[in-house]
Amino acid sequence: ETGVTQSPTHLIKTRGQQVTLRCSSQSGHNTVSWYQQALGQGPQFIFQYYREEENGRGNFPPRFSGLQFPNYSSELNVNALELDDSALYLCASSPGGTGFFTEAFFGQGTRLTVV
Amino acid sequence: AQTVTQSQPEMSVQEAETVTLSCTYDTSESDYYLFWYKQPPSRQMILVIRQEAYKQQNATENRFSVNFQKAAKSFSLKISDSQLGDAAMYFCAYRSMNNDMRFGAGTRLTVKP
Repeated sequence: ETGVTQSPTHLIKTRGQQVTLRCSSQSGHNTVSWYQQALGQGPQFIFQYYREEENGRGNFPPRFSGLQFPNYSSELNVNALELDDSALYLCASSPGGTGFFTEAFFGQGTRLTVV
Repeated sequence: AQTVTQSQPEMSVQEAETVTLSCTYDTSESDYYLFWYKQPPSRQMILVIRQEAYKQQNATENRFSVNFQKAAKSFSLKISDSQLGDAAMYFCAYRSMNNDMRFGAGTRLTVKP
């Protein structure tokens, strides 16, 4: 058991709506990364937070935004949902910041379906 | 930008036999990390094995080992004595020093009893 928990596990939203996904990082981990995994594909990096600051972002539009809280838990917010946003969203936490070799521990993911 | 390629969408192995999953990557960086993750139907990504690029020695974890060829940018995973519980999607991943992780498209491994 890795200790990274995500909520909710499943979610259905309507196109145009907004959604917030949550992630509790493993104890002692100050870095959280979010990934989008479309069906049949590998995870795609969305962004990473280190000590409450975004310190890396993949090729995702600004309607994908995030937060990291003082306890290092994190939220992923997606505005103006599109059908293509339907995917498994994975959160991963790790104990170090940039430049350190750190192993990422993943949560079980949130399955988002946009209809 | 770094890219990771897994050329085998599906692989099959007989229980107790050995199978090798292939992965190649493209990068201009000299320091980086490589991983193999396993994703069973439960969806949670589980770390199988990791390799630091500066280490020439291939990593080994019990029945899992890698063949890391830095010059060829190749990172294959060998699973020995395959077990039914090894059946899953396997993802090769590249992690740069800024912790940005790139994944391949995955290989679905089936283990036949």
